[in-house]
Amino acid sequence: DAMVIQNPRYQVTQFGKPVTLSCSQTLNHNVMYWYQQKSSQAPKLLFHYYDKDFNNEADTPDNFQSRRPNTSFCFLDIRSPGLGDAAMYLCATSREGQFNIQYFGAGTRLSVL
Amino acid sequence: ILNVEQSPQSLHVQEGDSTNFTCSFPSSNFYALHWYRWETAKSPEALFVMTLNGDEKKKGRISATLNTKEGYSYLYIKGSQPEDSATYLCAFVTNYGGSQGNLIFGKGTKLSVKP
Repeated sequence: DAMVIQNPRYQVTQFGKPVTLSCSQTLNHNVMYWYQQKSSQAPKLLFHYYDKDFNNEADTPDNFQSRRPNTSFCFLDIRSPGLGDAAMYLCATSREGQFNIQYFGAGTRLSVL
Repeated sequence: ILNVEQSPQSLHVQEGDSTNFTCSFPSSNFYALHWYRWETAKSPEALFVMTLNGDEKKKGRISATLNTKEGYSYLYIKGSQPEDSATYLCAFVTNYGGSQGNLIFGKGTKLSVKP
């Protein structure tokens, strides 16, 4: 059974039209992450939540926001998607200790028209 | 800027061939090194978490070694099978004052195994 679930698997949006990607987990892990992976590039951390504490990476564009209403759910909001935001978005979870081993969802592939 | 390099970028082998790929990472501030397997349309899954210089880990036909002093890890697959076809990602975990940092990924090695 999937433990980290991302919806939708594929998302098409228009240039400038806000879009929200969702992630849920059944592992009860306290840390949740959002990564962006562009074609042939390494997954890049956008931000993460340590419990309710939000940690933004220094180079994450302001266009990207996140919400974590409870332990199980985390959302990635892209306020005004540009063509350069087309990518695979991966959600992951971890818990303290365990050398930061992460459990991933299958990703949402975002296309921007 | 911390950099994690993987080589080769892609690899095409025949069923039964053995293969190996490399992950290079910074030799300072080491906390851990992870290997993940990412099959198409599935979630990346952790294969190995390696923490000590000289570590060797094995899972079935797949094994990995770690050299933290020179900053590299090798992943070996013995007798590749079509189901081994996937992208193999390594991720470096930094040591921030004794605590684990975030993962810094390489671009991955895409392995295709032909029957």
